[in-house]
Amino acid sequence: QVQLQESGPGLVKPSETLSLSCTVSGGSVSSDSSSWNWIRQAPGKGLEWIGYIYYTGTTNYNPSLKSRVTISVDTSKNQFSLKLSSVTAADTAVYYCARQMATMLYYLDYWGQGTLVTVSS
Amino acid sequence: DIQMTQSPSSLSASVGDRVTITCRASQSISNYLNWYHQKPGKAPKLLIYASSSLQSGVPSRFSGSGSGTDFTLTISSLQPEDFATYLCQQSYSPPYTFGQGTKLGIK
Repeated sequence: QVQLQESGPGLVKPSETLSLSCTVSGGSVSSDSSSWNWIRQAPGKGLEWIGYIYYTGTTNYNPSLKSRVTISVDTSKNQFSLKLSSVTAADTAVYYCARQMATMLYYLDYWGQGTLVTVSS
Repeated sequence: DIQMTQSPSSLSASVGDRVTITCRASQSISNYLNWYHQKPGKAPKLLIYASSSLQSGVPSRFSGSGSGTDFTLTISSLQPEDFATYLCQQSYSPPYTFGQGTKLGIK
């Protein structure tokens, strides 16, 4: 059973960089058949896909956030990470990490529990 | 971006009812359509992938159909644990996008 767990500060100041990590257990970030995703949900709003990374380092970001987002992977720690720069109150959200099966089909089958990040001074 | 539109936005039903939720894509997405449900304070949970494939461990009362732009999720006989928000998601082309959700409440 794959499990994902987000970690990182719950409060970030405006204009600073939000940094989160996702630790994977029961599975490997080095899997050929998986991509590792970040998704967020602002309070009372819908889900927004942020981007993904493969263990090779290949990434794909949502164009709406691309200029501010970096997703990286650390295979030695079985983790992947999210950095979002120049944050504003609009970046306040629950951030989820998730595994996407990426063979012939693509779907988010395992999710972390989510972590609330508040942007405030 | 591909826009995903769900209907209805909310509905009320009773235990044992048959319920259908619709999702429409702004362009053809073949069968790259996934369904999740989400309970308050929890992460979404995958129910159906590739339009009609039941995720392992998900009860058989859930089923999905559709291709192209129009898709449906059906719950054949509602159980108390099914009251949640239902979300569709296209995985045809990044940026992957979600529907706005259908909140299923108890009548």
